[in-house]
Amino acid sequence: ETGVTQTPRHLVMGMTNKKSLKCEQHLGHNAMYWYKQSAKKPLELMFVYNFKEQTENNSVPSRFSPECPNSSHLFLHLHTLQPEDSALYLCASSQDLVSGANVLTFGAGSRLTVL
Amino acid sequence: RKEVEQDPGPFNVPEGATVAFNCTYSNSASQSFFWYRQDCRKEPKLLMSVYSSGNEDGRFTAQLNRASQYISLLIRDSKLSDSATYLCVVRGGGFKTIFGAGTRLFVKA
Repeated sequence: ETGVTQTPRHLVMGMTNKKSLKCEQHLGHNAMYWYKQSAKKPLELMFVYNFKEQTENNSVPSRFSPECPNSSHLFLHLHTLQPEDSALYLCASSQDLVSGANVLTFGAGSRLTVL
Repeated sequence: RKEVEQDPGPFNVPEGATVAFNCTYSNSASQSFFWYRQDCRKEPKLLMSVYSSGNEDGRFTAQLNRASQYISLLIRDSKLSDSATYLCVVRGGGFKTIFGAGTRLFVKA
């Protein structure tokens, strides 16, 4: 496995379901991110973790709950979602939060549909 | 005003054409600038960083104008494979990385 891997790639869930998105990076990076990409909108930053510690919650509703057990793994737990939460959820990682270049490497994304 | 603004396009150009995209940003304290490329239903991938002195990578040239707060991307000799959405990315202090909504490019034979 290389880079950033996200599972599942596609997920359909009802509004009462509970599901989780998983992200794993094999780059030795220390920072991990969740972004949301809706049609024709810019990527929206949701959460940032640095060395397993959450450093940013960008006013995300509590029905999205992140978890970062270690620097290589990041989860997004989903419960009682709304249809407008349907989007592509992208995980990304970077070396850290302070390097000048701080290039983000993205996973392929999890496409979520909420019925 | 949006933090990062791009013309959404689409830009429809023939193979071999030269095409340029601009992007403006609102935060004068922004420190790092990038162009990412996103193919349809795929993840964004880094195309190139943008340096103050301007930089070139093959057919791609990026420029930064801090005084006017814009960056540009020039693609020469367009290929069919250049068809994608080009995302302007601006980073301020710390982790605050702002993405533009993207400019769509279609290169036609």
